[in-house]
Amino acid sequence: GESVGLHLPTLSVQEGDNSIINCAYSNSASDYFIWYKQESGKGPQFIIDIRSNMDKRQGQRVTVLLNKTVKHLSLQIAATQPGDSAVYFCAEISLSGGSYIPTFGRGTSLIVHP
Amino acid sequence: DTEVTQTPKHLVMGMTNKKSLKCEQHMGHRAMYWYKQKAKKPPELMFVYSYEKLSINESVPSRFSPECPNSSLLNLHLHALQPEDSALYLCASSRDLTGGPQPQHFGDGTRLSIL
Repeated sequence: GESVGLHLPTLSVQEGDNSIINCAYSNSASDYFIWYKQESGKGPQFIIDIRSNMDKRQGQRVTVLLNKTVKHLSLQIAATQPGDSAVYFCAEISLSGGSYIPTFGRGTSLIVHP
Repeated sequence: DTEVTQTPKHLVMGMTNKKSLKCEQHMGHRAMYWYKQKAKKPPELMFVYSYEKLSINESVPSRFSPECPNSSLLNLHLHALQPEDSALYLCASSRDLTGGPQPQHFGDGTRLSIL
């Protein structure tokens, strides 16, 4: 299940289950959204992106859904594996002063139990 | 392997020391970024360079001094840091800042500890 509080939200799942990680963003004018995966001791790695004119995009085992009405983004991981254990961040990219600048969400720690 | 290389991987320094963090990319990217990341928190933007010029400074204290000697290199000079500056410092790059929204490529960071 998922726990949310003052600390990093954590989602614990069993290997083989599907995982859904959620993100609320703040700027309704954001053009572009990215999900990053950050493993322990590593920098964030790009997983999948979606533009604001789309509501769904699929990759290999991952799907991103965008609901602009409620400013909500989700990442679905199919058949979750132990190697998926990491912290997942969403980032929204918006135009500010002529530059496209990212703003990161607070992150969710995904723990996959074998 | 990451395409953005950061050195050193770990750094321990006293509050009176001067040190530098280095970042290198060879993807031809013209935007480079420094982020600070505390444990269990998202990366916080510090500085952005566009075509080797400082474009954004997110009100970072002057004890952090960025430098972009050429299009492939980005440095962060550190002087008189405080214990609360202990964090993971991430470098990132992207194609550019103005040619449309695009993802960033991150290095694996320098873990900095201030004694």
